Amino acid sequence: DAGVIQSPRHEVTEMGQEVTLRCKPISGHDYLFWYRQTMMRGLELLIYFNNNVPIDDSGMPEDRFSAKMPNASFSTLKIQPSEPRDSAVYFCASSSGVYQPQHFGDGTRLSIL
Amino acid sequence: QKEVEQNSGPLSVPEGAIASLNCTYSDRGSQSFFWYRQYSGKSPELIMSIYSNGDKEDGRFTAQLNKASQYVSLLIRDSQPSDSATYLCAVNLSGYSTLTFGKGTMLLVSP
Repeated sequence: DAGVIQSPRHEVTEMGQEVTLRCKPISGHDYLFWYRQTMMRGLELLIYFNNNVPIDDSGMPEDRFSAKMPNASFSTLKIQPSEPRDSAVYFCASSSGVYQPQHFGDGTRLSIL
Repeated sequence: QKEVEQNSGPLSVPEGAIASLNCTYSDRGSQSFFWYRQYSGKSPELIMSIYSNGDKEDGRFTAQLNKASQYVSLLIRDSQPSDSATYLCAVNLSGYSTLTFGKGTMLLVSP
């Protein structure tokens, strides 16, 4: 079975540009999670969806970040405008239940210059 | 204050030794516990799940859960250099709608 698929794997862009990260969860998983990982802060949950509905977005750092899940097989995380402090690795994960094991994609390494 | 605590390490062990990784958590009501392995530059990979007190073994890995003392451990027997990675503990804490991850312990296995 295909795992969680994220794109792009790497993104380098200039400050102020819009960045869109994409995720396809494992088929049949009802939960989708977006995380950000940095050395300083570790793995931070940004937002998660259940059946395409955002449930908890308390981890989204500010209004520059937004996430959508238009259907069960696709989600986006958008940063507009981007800032150098947004540089991090962004992971998408999915699971069959909120307390079930989460399966992670390969991540997007984002660098904002 | 949600808390899943892990020693950041690095924990250094020689090849062939037993590596013991520990995780403490703040909520007596927690029911689900997971260990993830993350190689440098890679994504977290699930290696163990445990839900009941006691030990659970899978190959060279053993997870140990003690709910009364609020800790979960991961033992790696016959450690190999390929086990060198960061190990993340994840727990469901009451009052939080998803799993809470610790910051991870870096393990270094020297040949």
